[in-house]
Amino acid sequence: DVKVTQSSRYLVKRTGEKVFLECVQDMDHENMFWYRQDPGLGLRLIYFSYDVKMKEKGDIPEGYSVSREKKERFSLILESASTNQTSMYLCASTLLALGQGTEAFFGQGTRLTVV
Amino acid sequence: AQKITQTQPGMFVQEKEAVTLDCTYDTSDPSYGLFWYKQPSSGEMIFLIYQGSYDQQNATEGRYSLNFQKARKSANLVISASQLGDSAMYFCAMREENTGFQKLVFGTGTRLLVSP
Repeated sequence: DVKVTQSSRYLVKRTGEKVFLECVQDMDHENMFWYRQDPGLGLRLIYFSYDVKMKEKGDIPEGYSVSREKKERFSLILESASTNQTSMYLCASTLLALGQGTEAFFGQGTRLTVV
Repeated sequence: AQKITQTQPGMFVQEKEAVTLDCTYDTSDPSYGLFWYKQPSSGEMIFLIYQGSYDQQNATEGRYSLNFQKARKSANLVISASQLGDSAMYFCAMREENTGFQKLVFGTGTRLLVSP
């Protein structure tokens, strides 16, 4: 069974803390994505990566960074957590191709609360 | 610029009726893929259906079909014979093949409520 696994389901962090969200996929996908989901705003792309050590900014990269040292692992880093980063974070992966069977697979999500 | 628009924040439908969820998109890439996902209250993202920009026929998957109107840049999801379990958030998404490193962008979603 194919899987995208996020390291935590729920996290509570303090303002100013450095926060790491980890995502691992076992499908040998080239593309990996980080989104945040907020009510009424849908899924907004933070960063994505199409290869090891390669990263591209999404629509809302401010306050975040990412790391992809291995193909299967994509980490999202909140350098100094703030209350406005309280959200649901979703990781996804896809093949670097388009067509039937190239849909994204998602992790279960991490609900981060910054207090 | 790559963009997905879902203009219906919420939709209501009675069980066994059909419902159409709207999605329009904007792209300058001639090659792209359109996806629909369902997100129940449990939170997982469930892939429903895919339409490629060069596909001649509208995609269908069971009770789901995609009304693809390329000239109008619309990709509406049609759910036939709605069931109570169809109550969920529905997201339209797009990937361009040749630009933007194939990033995947989503619309804001439509919440569907199916009543008995």
